[in-house]
Amino acid sequence: GAGVSQSPSNKVTEKGKDVELRCDPISGHTALYWYRQSLGQGLEFLIYFQGNSAPDKSGLPSDRFSAERTGGSVSTLTIQRTQQEDSAVYLCASSLGGPHWEPQHFGDGTRLSIL
Amino acid sequence: RKEVEQDPGPFNVPEGATVAFNCTYSNSASQSFFWYRQDCRKEPKLLMSVYSSGNEDGRFTAQLNRASQYISLLIRDSKLSDSATYLCVVNRGGSQGNLIFGKGTKLSVKP
Repeated sequence: GAGVSQSPSNKVTEKGKDVELRCDPISGHTALYWYRQSLGQGLEFLIYFQGNSAPDKSGLPSDRFSAERTGGSVSTLTIQRTQQEDSAVYLCASSLGGPHWEPQHFGDGTRLSIL
Repeated sequence: RKEVEQDPGPFNVPEGATVAFNCTYSNSASQSFFWYRQDCRKEPKLLMSVYSSGNEDGRFTAQLNRASQYISLLIRDSKLSDSATYLCVVNRGGSQGNLIFGKGTKLSVKP
């Protein structure tokens, strides 16, 4: 079946521009996560959506970062006024959610480069 | 103490060797544990869940020690294709929260 789909796969933009990254989770998965990973570094948690609950935004590094999840499915991560330190691979993951923690399944990521 | 700690390695082993990784976690309320592998410039992929009684999947064995708050991954008869970074993953605990990923242990299997 279809896995987690992310777009674009690569994005190059100039410093100061806004970018939108999209994630389409696995059908039926109620939990959706955004992470970023800088070159050679571990995963950095950004935000987590679970069903209709308020998202856990505790990992967002600044108010330039925001995310939405419309209709409990597709999610968009927006970075405003991008900075060079925002360059990283942005990974989206989804899981079944629920009371017992299920493993996360990752998309291929969006490689973001800020010039 | 970090939430999830792993030896970054690298572990350089010959083909056919047995290699073991440990991972410690700080939150005693954590209930779910996983090992993921991540190939260079690729997304993490689930390798196996870790159950209280320990579990085995082919050449891979995972164990959990709640008292000492660590999990382990044993790889027997290493293959070249096992070369990757292995991520220890632990849930933050409680009914809310998220999974915490360790920074990974790098394994390089040589011919």
